[in-house]
Formats: sequence, structure tokens, C-alpha cells
Amino acid sequence: GQQVMQIPQYQHVQEGEDFTTYCNSSTTLSNIQWYKQRPGGHPVFLIQLVKSGEVKKQKRLTFQFGEAKKNSSLHITATQTTDVGTYFCAGPGSGAGSYQLTFGKGTKLSVIP
Amino acid sequence: GAVVSQHPSWVICKSGTSVKIECRSLDFQATTMFWYRQFPKQSLMLMATSNEGSKATYEQGVEKDKFLINHASLTLSTLTVTSAHPEDSSFYICSAPRGAGYEQYFGPGTRLTVT
Repeated sequence: GQQVMQIPQYQHVQEGEDFTTYCNSSTTLSNIQWYKQRPGGHPVFLIQLVKSGEVKKQKRLTFQFGEAKKNSSLHITATQTTDVGTYFCAGPGSGAGSYQLTFGKGTKLSVIP
Repeated sequence: GAVVSQHPSWVICKSGTSVKIECRSLDFQATTMFWYRQFPKQSLMLMATSNEGSKATYEQGVEKDKFLINHASLTLSTLTVTSAHPEDSSFYICSAPRGAGYEQYFGPGTRLTVT
């Protein structure tokens, strides 16, 4: 089935530093979604990218979708302790006509104050 | 925004017993819901797709006789872990798709511990 690879698995940054997580697929994705899971919490939808080369911003977060629609990235500028958590990318699942998602393994972000 | 509730939030049960977990969409109808399992420090593993009014679709390797799913209404799906064993201990999360992009709204999860 379709797989979505995500790197790095862990990232420790000093508060104020930038952070980036990358997501790659071997096949073209119709769209990609990003989720954040706080420690002890559940995943929360952040954004969906659909268009080739699309860039979307949410305050300090910048999301990009590659031109070939096979990769995506999430960049956080000047991290804060509130950014701590695991960030997952997710592409469409293999189930035909379904709303399934295939999640990457996630990048766990730790922010050192 | 869309809200999904899950009950119970945590449960401890003895080996051999069954546990039922409920997932409800509170402010929208969900013909489809998903059940995931998450091990510590790991990603979300899709277990099954719950379909209102029809049988659930299970992912490869998931025993449908062990993880019974019922989607009796447009707002409720249940997952029953039958004859639970310690290796079934995990964090179980449900989600329901909604919105133009069918983004998924997750329940708060159920922490199951089988002793």
C-alpha cells in the first residue's frame, strides 16, 4: 500500500530556533494533510494542501506541497514551548473511494526553554 | 468546530474480559469513522473503517473477530475488544472525516490496560 515517509523522527531545538519536518511519498498525492498531537493528547488537524507547489501559512507555521505533489514540509519559525508535540503528515489511503489517511511516523518536537 | 467524543478515556480490565469503546460525533453526522491504535512513541495504525449500516472494513492483520466494530447510527461507532490480552493494551483513537477536504477529527482516545 501507499506509504508516507517522514523525517526526522525526533528533533530537539532551543526555544527560538526554527524547525522543519519533511514528508515524502513514492507516488503522487492528491492532497496532504498535517496534524499535531500534543503529549498525552490526540491528533488535531492543522491544514490540507491540494495544489502543486502550494504554500500556506498559519502564523509561525509554513506548509509547502512540492511541485510533483510527492513531498511536503512543515516549517516552524522561532519555536516556542507551546509547539511541543508530534507532527504527522498524512496522505490519502489506498482504500478506493474512502476517506482513509495514511499517516507518516511523525516528528516529535522537543523545545528546550 | 467538529467534535468527536470517546468513552471511556481509560479502562483497566482483566485478561479474558471484553471492553467496549464508544466514539461519537457530537455536532455532525458521520457515515464513516476510523479506528486507530497507537503504541507509545509510534504513529497511528489504522485498524478498521467503520461504515454506518454496513460491515466494517478491517486492515490487513487486524482480527475482525477480536475487534468488533458496530456503527449503529450516524453519530456512534463502537469498538469492542473481545477476550482481551495484555498485548491488546494500547491507546485506541477514533476519528471521523468532515469538511471539504475530509480532514479527520479525532476523539480524545481511550487508554486500555489489560492486566
